[in-house]
Amino acid sequence: QVQLVQSGAEVKKPGASVKVSCKASGYTFTTYSMHWVRQAPGQSLEWMGWINAGSGHTTYSQKFQGRVTITRDTSARTTYMELISLRSEDTAVYYCARDFGSGIYSPLAYWGQGTLVTVS
Amino acid sequence: DIVMTQSPDSLAVSLGERATINCKSSQSLYSSNNKNYLAWYQQKPGQPPKLLIYWASTRESGVPDRFSGGGSGTDFTLTVSSLQAEDVAVYYCHQYYGTPYTFGQGTKLEIK
Repeated sequence: QVQLVQSGAEVKKPGASVKVSCKASGYTFTTYSMHWVRQAPGQSLEWMGWINAGSGHTTYSQKFQGRVTITRDTSARTTYMELISLRSEDTAVYYCARDFGSGIYSPLAYWGQGTLVTVS
Repeated sequence: DIVMTQSPDSLAVSLGERATINCKSSQSLYSSNNKNYLAWYQQKPGQPPKLLIYWASTRESGVPDRFSGGGSGTDFTLTVSSLQAEDVAVYYCHQYYGTPYTFGQGTKLEIK
């Protein structure tokens, strides 16, 4: 079965950076895209960007352009999301989510357990 | 960006009764392939979202048939035909028509 296991909670100072990992299992890693979505406390979901795990091509939300980098290591079946210049508003649970695989634009079928990043 | 607006923000329904959540997009999500790029998710406290419905009306595998999705273009609905205690959650609509992907603000579904 598909599993996405994320790295543990992080506490960071304002101005620092954080790198969250997402290890995938149960499917062919390079066939699907991986997205990153965050959720601030008590708030809705916010899409940050995605990576085509096969080609490595990335697309980012303009809101995070310049601050976020999504990469992948195919041998480790792991995707990474790095966010720099952290501020208090970046305190949130960060999720990786694998797409459904039904084309370029596809719903998010499988989700990691989430990683709480606290900026304080 | 496509703005997704849900209504109501919260909803209390008696067990066994019908619950309906609405979602409106700021532009059409209907594509030339005759599909609506609209999904619904259920999120329970402390858990990640769970995909319930995609292509506006296709139920994900394993999702109970009391959940159904409808609508087209810019107006969509999620219906729970007979509310069960385990359906208490926040529900989000989501457009994947284009980037940036966007989500509704969420609707909290509770038991009356």
